[in-house]
Amino acid sequence: GNSVTQMEGPVTLSEEAFLTINCTYTATGYPSLFWYVQYPGEGLQLLLKATKADDKGSNKGFEATYRKETTSFHLEKGSVQVSDSAVYFCALSASTGTASKLTFGTGTRLQVTL
Amino acid sequence: KAGVTQTPRYLIKTRGQQVTLSCSPISGHRSVSWYQQTPGQGLQFLFEYFSETQRNKGNFPGRFSGRQFSNSRSEMNVSTLELGDSALYLCASSQGLYSYNEQFFGPGTRLTVL
Repeated sequence: GNSVTQMEGPVTLSEEAFLTINCTYTATGYPSLFWYVQYPGEGLQLLLKATKADDKGSNKGFEATYRKETTSFHLEKGSVQVSDSAVYFCALSASTGTASKLTFGTGTRLQVTL
Repeated sequence: KAGVTQTPRYLIKTRGQQVTLSCSPISGHRSVSWYQQTPGQGLQFLFEYFSETQRNKGNFPGRFSGRQFSNSRSEMNVSTLELGDSALYLCASSQGLYSYNEQFFGPGTRLTVL
């Protein structure tokens, strides 16, 4: 079946540090890949997405590139802010038939300090 | 455009009771999915509805059921509540059923079973 593996957290960084959160996946076919962010007490917000190999999703300074050869979709940001503190989820959506079910990783908590 | 709304936001029930949660999707979205989020199991897919038909179902017991109305609003029901049903229940809406369709999440309903 489909699965997503994320690096364990928490990740603690100082403000303006470089961020990488690793994400690898296992899936049949050609899945779409997503990063979602969850702030305390809230639902999930879509951060970025990529729907085919070599696509780069980007939003609010965050980027991730769909690498089919390494089955990866690592999240990066050049300079984090305290306001980026949240839990980040990598997810995939299967491409077989009509299927929009999301399979999530376990989430990575990011804590940014001054 | 208004986002996905879920009611109620918080719910406290006792074991053996049943509960109904409601979700109103973004206007124009015809697909509604439900997810359960717990600290132990993470985010797990419950089911998906499109045009009032269940299109996809996760690995949950029959106590978990749902439906979708002609206006795309959806409800999920959990009967004979167990302590392990305590979770954040998230609803997501999407324009279609394809893997590249973005899913937009509501704030969730926090269910506590005592």
